[in-house]
This record gives sequence, structure tokens and C-alpha cells, in this order.
Amino acid sequence: QVQLVQSGAEVKEPGASVKVSCKASGYTFTAYYMHWVRQAPGQGLEWVGWINPNSGGTIYAQKFQGRVTMTRDTSISTVYMELTRLRTDDTAVYHCARQTSDWYFDLWGRGTLVTVSS
Amino acid sequence: DIQMTQSPSTLSASVGDRVTITCRASQSISSWLAWYQQKPGKAPKLLIYKASNLESGVPSRFSGSGSGAEFTLTISSLQPDDFATYHCQQYNSYWTFGQGTKVEIK
Repeated sequence: QVQLVQSGAEVKEPGASVKVSCKASGYTFTAYYMHWVRQAPGQGLEWVGWINPNSGGTIYAQKFQGRVTMTRDTSISTVYMELTRLRTDDTAVYHCARQTSDWYFDLWGRGTLVTVSS
Repeated sequence: DIQMTQSPSTLSASVGDRVTITCRASQSISSWLAWYQQKPGKAPKLLIYKASNLESGVPSRFSGSGSGAEFTLTISSLQPDDFATYHCQQYNSYWTFGQGTKVEIK
């Protein structure tokens, strides 16, 4: 079954870091770029960045540069997104999404809720 | 950055209604636009890509049109399963989304 399964919800204090995982199954992991998209409460979707699972190359949205790191482990078909120096406005559901060769997203994970609160 | 503006933000409709959602880009994006449906707690689902191409398995009551900077998603006859939030996304230059349109029961 083609799917993306994400890790469970996290609660962090301001200033901490969080690492969210996304495990792919049912397709060739290295054949598709993977993106991270977040949705804060009551807000629209916001692109965070992408990773090429084959090379490990990344591109991040300017807003998150310096605070986000995306990595992958090809042995277990999993990508990770780490966000550091968390702020309360980082509270959001973080989705991974697979990109097609034509640049849109055809498969999404259900999302991981990250709550940042003191 | 390309900004995407969806309207309306909320739409109240009944089963059987024809529903239209509009998405405007801050500059021309050719036809590089996708539409997604999202239900609470679920993953977004691709409906339309390249402005008017229906994703495999998506009911034909969904259609997309437009090019340049103005696009529409139409549901020809709203079904109970269609009450959800709809997002447009441009992929002409990086990726940005509209703020979403919630379709609720009237």
C-alpha cells in the first residue's frame, strides 16, 4: 500500500527542538522528492522545504533557514524534519508530502501535531 | 514570493448544489496549479493538477479551470462526502497555498 506514515504528536517548550519522521512504503523511496508542509491552527498550508531522498540534497523556505534540517535514512525509507529554537508560533500540524515529476504533491502523510508551550 | 488568495473562506451549501471556489495568484503561474481536499485529521488529497487535470480516482463532479492568475474549482453536484476544506497550490515558483475554503452544510 502506497502511504506515508508519520510519527506521533509532540509537546515541546519554547527554545527546544523537535524531530518528526515520515516513513514511506509501497513505492521506490529514492524516486520521489519529499516535502514538508505545516498548518498552524486556523491558518492555511505553508511550505517548509524539501529533500531529495536519493542525494540528500535539500532546499528550505527562507523563513525556516537556519532552524530546519531535513535528512533521510534510505535503509528504512524514512525522512526526518528537525526544527530548532522552537517558538509558540511553530505550533502546527506538520505534513510530509511526496512530489511528482511534474512538481505537485500526490501523496501526503496525515500530519504530526507539534505543540510548543511553556 | 507568489501569494495565493482563495475565496470565499467559508461556503455554506446543500447536497446537490453547484459549488465554485476561486483562487487568484499574485502573478501569472501559467497552469501550474493544484487543488487538494482535506478533512479534519486526515491527509490532504490531490483532486486536480495542472489547473484542469483530474487525478485518477477523483469523481468527475470535480473540475478545474483557469490559467494565468485566476483559477476555479467547481463541484457540479455537491455530495455528502464533499464537505471538507479545499486548498489551492501554485507550483510555478516554489510552492505556496491559498488559505483554504471550508465547504460546510447549509
